[in-house]
Amino acid sequence: SAVISQKPSRDICQRGTSLTIQCQVDSQVTMMFWYRQQPGQSLTLIATANQGSEATYESGFVIDKFPISRPNLTFSTLTVSNMSPEDSSIYLCSAQGGDRGSLDTQYFGPGTRLTVL
Amino acid sequence: SQQGEEDPQALSIQEGENATMNCSYKTSINNLQWYRQNSGRGLVHLILIRSNEREKHSGRLRVTLDTSKKSSSLLITASRAADTASYFCARTFGNEKLTFGTGTRLTIIP
Repeated sequence: SAVISQKPSRDICQRGTSLTIQCQVDSQVTMMFWYRQQPGQSLTLIATANQGSEATYESGFVIDKFPISRPNLTFSTLTVSNMSPEDSSIYLCSAQGGDRGSLDTQYFGPGTRLTVL
Repeated sequence: SQQGEEDPQALSIQEGENATMNCSYKTSINNLQWYRQNSGRGLVHLILIRSNEREKHSGRLRVTLDTSKKSSSLLITASRAADTASYFCARTFGNEKLTFGTGTRLTIIP
């Protein structure tokens, strides 16, 4: 299976600032996704990161708040913009398909724990 | 809600006992997957069961699927302290997107 890393693993940020989270996969994958997990909650899909085109956002999430890039088949970034305390969550990327991934199974990175003061 | 519901929300058992978690959903599925999450970290994929399968095994894990009842269960046999984690079911239908359940927080008491 693909191995996924995320940077940073955690951060504490001030209200009104932005943070960019990086997701790196050790092999080429077909699809990449970004999720948010609020404290004590389940995972909610933010968007599908499309290689070479704009991300596809789920209801309730917008590009201005969560801009996403995916310049190639192994890398993606998620930016949390103009942060407020309500953005304090774990942000996870996942990958599916490709050289070493199953078409059906999503593999997850270790997550980025964000605290906004 | 599109989310599946899992029960129980929390489960505490003695080490060595079996743990059973249930997942219910409302729509059709292509497949259903179970994940483990330790202490708010990344998710580890445990097992995938397809809509035309009824039971799958992987080591100490046994997953069943009943599409007529729209439910699945995860059984962990001979539990260990290292099994302490949150367990999530997630389903797909029609596309690659995963819809996660609410999760069960499992605590194994040594």
